[in-house]
Amino acid sequence: SQQGEEDPQALSIQEGENATMNCSYKTSINNLQWYRQNSGRGLVHLILIRSNEREKHSGRLRVTLDTSKKSSSLLITASRAADTASYFCATAMKTSYDKVIFGPGTSLSVIP
Amino acid sequence: DAGVIQSPRHEVTEMGQEVTLRCKPISGHDYLFWYRQTMMRGLELLIYFNNNVPIDDSGMPEDRFSAKMPNASFSTLKIQPSEPRDSAVYFCASSPPDRGWTEAFFGQGTRLTVV
Repeated sequence: SQQGEEDPQALSIQEGENATMNCSYKTSINNLQWYRQNSGRGLVHLILIRSNEREKHSGRLRVTLDTSKKSSSLLITASRAADTASYFCATAMKTSYDKVIFGPGTSLSVIP
Repeated sequence: DAGVIQSPRHEVTEMGQEVTLRCKPISGHDYLFWYRQTMMRGLELLIYFNNNVPIDDSGMPEDRFSAKMPNASFSTLKIQPSEPRDSAVYFCASSPPDRGWTEAFFGQGTRLTVV
């Protein structure tokens, strides 16, 4: 089964609103990353948070990590139509050799 | 840098044919990953290389799939023989030294359709 699971699967909001996506995982991690994928394109790295960090900011993005609950959230503030995309969390697991597992993603639609 | 370059962008082939997907990683990157994306299974790691050496191929679905990295600037993913269930978007990604598990740079993908 998936290491990471995003919630919700799909989200539709009005431009200017905030969008929150959640990610839950099962095993211990070294870090957690969020990626964006526009339709028909490759994934683009947005932000990384390490297991010893609780919150990180990058522009309009805010990521939190709760290792006790094995969950993370991605907040996009003041959304724009250009933010319409799928968002994936990726967990780098603590194993004998590292591995990054992607969740199924959240599809975000920002309506102008 | 032009980023990770994959070719072809689209491939349509008949069942039973051999398919070869190609990837040129970003210069200086020493990690290379092959992923497959489908609606049903999401994004799956097939295999990854470090310094041209395959490290983990546990995600390769079966013996019909093989991957090579003959040098630091080129990798191939081959499917022989291809089957309709192999239809997917295949992504290649690369990462800089010591950042293999912190940031991956993805190519545009190859959309494979096996009929």
